[in-house]
Amino acid sequence: DSGVTQTPKHLITATGQRVTLRCSPRSGDLSVYWYQQSLDQGLQFLIQYYNGEERAKGNILERFSAQQFPDLHSELNLSSLELGDSALYFCASRPGTSTDTQYFGPGTRLTVL
Amino acid sequence: GQQVMQIPQYQHVQEGEDFTTYCNSSTTLSNIQWYKQRPGGHPVFLIQLVKSGEVKKQKRLTFQFGEAKKNSSLHITATQTTDVGTYFCAGVSGSARQLTFGSGTQLTVLP
Repeated sequence: DSGVTQTPKHLITATGQRVTLRCSPRSGDLSVYWYQQSLDQGLQFLIQYYNGEERAKGNILERFSAQQFPDLHSELNLSSLELGDSALYFCASRPGTSTDTQYFGPGTRLTVL
Repeated sequence: GQQVMQIPQYQHVQEGEDFTTYCNSSTTLSNIQWYKQRPGGHPVFLIQLVKSGEVKKQKRLTFQFGEAKKNSSLHITATQTTDVGTYFCAGVSGSARQLTFGSGTQLTVLP
């Protein structure tokens, strides 16, 4: 158990819909990262937040957005969903700025039908 | 932008055989990390290499960081069925301190 929690574990929805994925980082970790992993694919970095502020953006679509709240939990919002958005979405947190190691949550498996 | 290439994409070995996966970065790295993802699981941090030419061992696993800090390898000696999973390297460079993941090597160990 990494200490990072993600909900829900599974999500099945239809094209055109909007969903919200939630992540709680490890206690004390200020940085949160979101990744997308499609079937048999690597980890594509989406976005990073640090202490409530956006720090870096990767290959995140305009239909996707995220935020980090004062209690440090983060939400990833996916809208106008397409079949190709079906994937595993991982959240990871990083302990402070002295290390680059990231601790991953169990992921949310999104299926768009 | 930074790219990290990893080969091979898949590797099937007989239990007891050795296994190696290689990473190459398009840019010089500050450090490189290795993660393991078991089937149905999430990536789990294995190790971080920081120094040029660094070699670290964890039991049957040997990790190397190249002299130019642009390539790395993970070698598993005498694989076991518990080694099954996908091994990812992840490079860190620049001031952004982002992890750029390789595409991973999926290891299958046949009993």
